[in-house]
Amino acid sequence: EVQLVESGGGLVQPGGSLRLSCAASGFTVSSNYMSWVRQAPGKGLEGVSVIYSGGSTYYADSVKGRFTISRDNSKNTLYLQMNSLRAEDTAIYYCARDQGIDQWLVNWGQGTLVTVSS
Amino acid sequence: QSVLTQPPSVSGAPGQRVTISCTGSSSNIGAGYDVHWYQQLPGTAPKVLIYGNSNRPSGVPDRFSGSKSGTSASLAITGLQAEDEADYYCQSYDSSLKVFGGGTKLTVL
Repeated sequence: EVQLVESGGGLVQPGGSLRLSCAASGFTVSSNYMSWVRQAPGKGLEGVSVIYSGGSTYYADSVKGRFTISRDNSKNTLYLQMNSLRAEDTAIYYCARDQGIDQWLVNWGQGTLVTVSS
Repeated sequence: QSVLTQPPSVSGAPGQRVTISCTGSSSNIGAGYDVHWYQQLPGTAPKVLIYGNSNRPSGVPDRFSGSKSGTSASLAITGLQAEDEADYYCQSYDSSLKVFGGGTKLTVL
């Protein structure tokens, strides 16, 4: 059974950093495209970042230069390093198993809440 | 401001049919990229409802159907049931990332 479990969210001050983790089971992270999607409170979904199986990475303009997506193949875990956090980064962050470039997000984690506030 | 445009809300009585539109542009839906639909129940992660414009994953009732034409797509729900009350999101692809609609809240009257 495929399972994704996010962790690492919490309260952080503006300008601070957090690293989100997404532990996967039931499939191999490195053989799949993996995405991070966020949802601000009461708002819609926003694609944040994707890492291809080949290692290429892409970011939304709103996070480019501040967020870094990566993976640890030995731990079968996806990460999102978030630096220079802003109030507008406050959201639930979901990791998802991505079926491909213009394909759908087939499995989702339960999400982890990031709150940026002083 | 979402890349794809959806109506904020739709409603219908049990048993009725409703449709949710999703409008994009020439850089996403109009470029030929597929549209996918998700259902999000309160307090839960989204779940894929329709993939590849019109395909249903196993377990999704055939009351749900999708279509795509030009720069737009639609989700239709027939025989509305109380448990269909949820938020619905369309998704496509643009500039190397997944792009979403702003979401549509379906209320079953």
